[in-house]
Amino acid sequence: RKEVEQDPGPFNVPEGATVAFNCTYSNSASQSFFWYRQDCRKEPKLLMSVYSSGNEDGRFTAQLNRASQYISLLIRDSKLSDSATYLCVVNIGTTGNQFYFGTGTSLTVIP
Amino acid sequence: NAGVTQTPKFRILKIGQSMTLQCTQDMNHNYMYWYRQDPGMGLKLIYYSVGAGITDKGEVPNGYNVSRSTTEDFPLRLELAAPSQTSVYFCASSYVYEQYFGPGTRLTVT
Repeated sequence: RKEVEQDPGPFNVPEGATVAFNCTYSNSASQSFFWYRQDCRKEPKLLMSVYSSGNEDGRFTAQLNRASQYISLLIRDSKLSDSATYLCVVNIGTTGNQFYFGTGTSLTVIP
Repeated sequence: NAGVTQTPKFRILKIGQSMTLQCTQDMNHNYMYWYRQDPGMGLKLIYYSVGAGITDKGEVPNGYNVSRSTTEDFPLRLELAAPSQTSVYFCASSYVYEQYFGPGTRLTVT
């Protein structure tokens, strides 16, 4: 069973739309959660951390549901520049700080 | 600050050859990581290090070796390259949780 699972998409949405991605994780001992953004043929970059209380950064909102072991990312008022692959990342918290990545969800925002 | 740098950017290897992928960070991070990313797949951890002199295996360590003699450098060695090692390799570092990635090395083994 994969540590982290995401719907690969692709999601094709018009500019201004709201889009939501979900991610599930299998290890209930997971401690830290993140969303990374990866542009085509580029390295991943941290978009935001995900806290138990939920957190918001401008048009982006991340939420964590520990009971159901899923993480979500909501993007409001989509921009063309939001087109990318969004990676869900989980830290199990064992010695060594190991991270597990989902396969990513592809988003294309259409004019 | 340059952040995390990786060399080379691209490389083609023949089956059975060996090479070292270089990774350097200038942020004084203790944690460093090597990942591989196959097309359409997530990143998989090859090896990681919690500080100079300390390394450990990740999910997919077979066919690779690492060393960490300094805080800044974390080279990845491929011995006896195989076609299954064709991938994009990313090095990353972190203070704790936020990882900073290098631009990647695209490796093809033929």
